[in-house]
Parts: sequence; structure tokens; C-alpha cells
Amino acid sequence: KQEVTQIPAALSVPEGENLVLNCSFTDSAIYNLQWFRQDPGKGLTSLLLIQSSQREQTSGRLNASLDKSSGRSTLYIAASQPGDSATYLCAVTGSGGAQKLVFGQGTRLTINP
Amino acid sequence: ETGVTQSPTHLIKTRGQQVTLRCSSQSGHNTVSWYQQALGQGPQFIFQYYREEENGRGNFPPRFSGLQFPNYSSELNVNALELDDSALYLCASSLPGQGASTDTQYFGPGTRLTVL
Repeated sequence: KQEVTQIPAALSVPEGENLVLNCSFTDSAIYNLQWFRQDPGKGLTSLLLIQSSQREQTSGRLNASLDKSSGRSTLYIAASQPGDSATYLCAVTGSGGAQKLVFGQGTRLTINP
Repeated sequence: ETGVTQSPTHLIKTRGQQVTLRCSSQSGHNTVSWYQQALGQGPQFIFQYYREEENGRGNFPPRFSGLQFPNYSSELNVNALELDDSALYLCASSLPGQGASTDTQYFGPGTRLTVL
């Protein structure tokens, strides 16, 4: 059974800092990994998707890496801004069958002005 | 804006009642998934529908059921509501198998269900 863990559960940093969020998964047989952002009480916004054959994806100030063999992914946020404050979730899709996402519990990020 | 809409936004029910939640998928997306997100937790997969057939189910009892319609809308039905069913219910649509750009699942804003 696939399990996804995110560390830390919460993080508070001053504006302008670069930061890294961590995600680990127990079964390396994944199809892809996605990072999502969730604002309080809202739905999920997809930030980056990494296929199992890829090592990283970049979008603006965000960079996500994937090391499938070690079961780890990181989300790097450069030059953080107060608007980046949200909960960040990672999720993996298994390599067979339905396109089912298995989520971690998320990291609640606060960027202080 | 993902193009996925859900209704209602909020809902309050009492134990034992039945509820129907609705989702309108992004145009052309033939796959819809439903997730339950309890407060402070990550979403949990309930089930997925592909071309109107159930295509995978998570660890949820049979009182959770669904339908997908030809116009890409879908429903989640929950019978005999329990207090633990209180959660944010999210639907997500996708067009799998067409390449990396379409493997992304697009989530709706969710329906907040409270069971008293």
C-alpha cells in the first residue's frame, strides 16, 4: 500500500527566503507525481507534474525534483512571497490501473512580510 | 480557474440522511475522480469513473456511490450519513493517456459537508 509523507507539517519563514518542501513515498512504482497548492477551504491547484521518467520540472519560481529510486520529491520555492502562503500537497499516481492520486497530509506554509 | 464546478458549496445534513453532490467536469474530460478531505488531512480517493463506468475504488463502504453522465457531469451519493462523513468533497477531471500535459487532474472548489 502506497503511503506518502510530507515534512515538515508546517513551516513559517520571512519573505524573500528560498525554501524546500519534502515529500516521500513508500512504493517507487509510480506513474507520476504532482504538487498541488490549496488555499484555506478551497480546492486544489496543480503546480507541477513530474512523469516517472523525469527528474525535475520548473514553473516560474517553483522547481520540483523527483528521485523515484529513493522515493523522494522536493518542491523548491525561490524568493518566497506572502502570496505563497498556503498548504502544499504532493500526490503520486500508481503505475497501473485507475489514475488514483495518493496524497500526503500537506505542509502548511506561512510567509511573513 | 480549472473549469471544474461543484454544487452545492456548503451542505448541512443530519445523521442517517442521504446526500447527493454534483460535479461538472472540464469539457472533453472523460475521467472524473472523487476525493474526501477531512480537516487537516490530505484528500482520500473514493472512486473514479471513466466513460460512465466505475474504474477503481478506494477504501470506502458501498453507501458511497457515484454516477457519471454523457455530458461529463457526475454525482457522488452518500447514504446513511455518519458524523465522520463531515469533510470537504472534491472532484477532479482529467483526460488520461494523452500525454504529460493531460495527465494533470483538475480539481473543483469542493463541497463542504457537515453532518450533525
